[in-house]
Amino acid sequence: GAGVSQTPSNKVTEKGKYVELRCDPISGHTALYWYRQSLGQGPEFLIYFQGTGAADDSGLPNDRFFAVRPEGSVSTLKIQRTERGDSAVYLCASSAGTAYGTDTQYFGPGTRLTVL
Amino acid sequence: AQSVSQHNHHVILSEAASLELGCNYSYGGTVNLFWYVQYPGQHLQLLLKYFSGDPLVKGIKGFEAEFIKSKFSFNLRKPSVQWSDTAEYFCAVGGTNAGKSTFGDGTTLTVKP
Repeated sequence: GAGVSQTPSNKVTEKGKYVELRCDPISGHTALYWYRQSLGQGPEFLIYFQGTGAADDSGLPNDRFFAVRPEGSVSTLKIQRTERGDSAVYLCASSAGTAYGTDTQYFGPGTRLTVL
Repeated sequence: AQSVSQHNHHVILSEAASLELGCNYSYGGTVNLFWYVQYPGQHLQLLLKYFSGDPLVKGIKGFEAEFIKSKFSFNLRKPSVQWSDTAEYFCAVGGTNAGKSTFGDGTTLTVKP
């Protein structure tokens, strides 16, 4: 595709449920990032993949959050036992991965997660 | 730990006015600096970035930013804004050996026609 895509665009769930959020990066991009954006705030870093491996997962808030990228392309962010405080827009970005730290990150439209 | 501070939460200007949005950062090392823009209903996209060389960086749509190392600042400027510049603007900082970026809380710019 032409850009980063994320599904679903909106997800409403109940407290305690499990959710999966999907990100399809730009074809050929080796680096993939997940961010979380709460209302009135900037994106907050969660995790960064280089290829299939998580190069930096220091932003994951706790062990309820987990992300995978098994084939180095599509990534899934998984949230267990959701809490109301998890409600936010979850953003995915990808970059070519050729210039560490200076790559342009291309963002997707985000998934709006609402936990009731 | 790295952090970014954007001083103005909401700026309202008339068309043709000059724009300067403040950004200060805290980072213990060599930094890469970015400005992103999010137009209404659109994705976050890169306006410009600085990682080395000339501290005055030019980006898309007539925007520029100046890196002043002694002030830990990376302010965004445009000499004459247009109604179409109405958007939210985010400053971000990243390290040279890290994939992640730390974002400020954004500045909403409203340009009145």
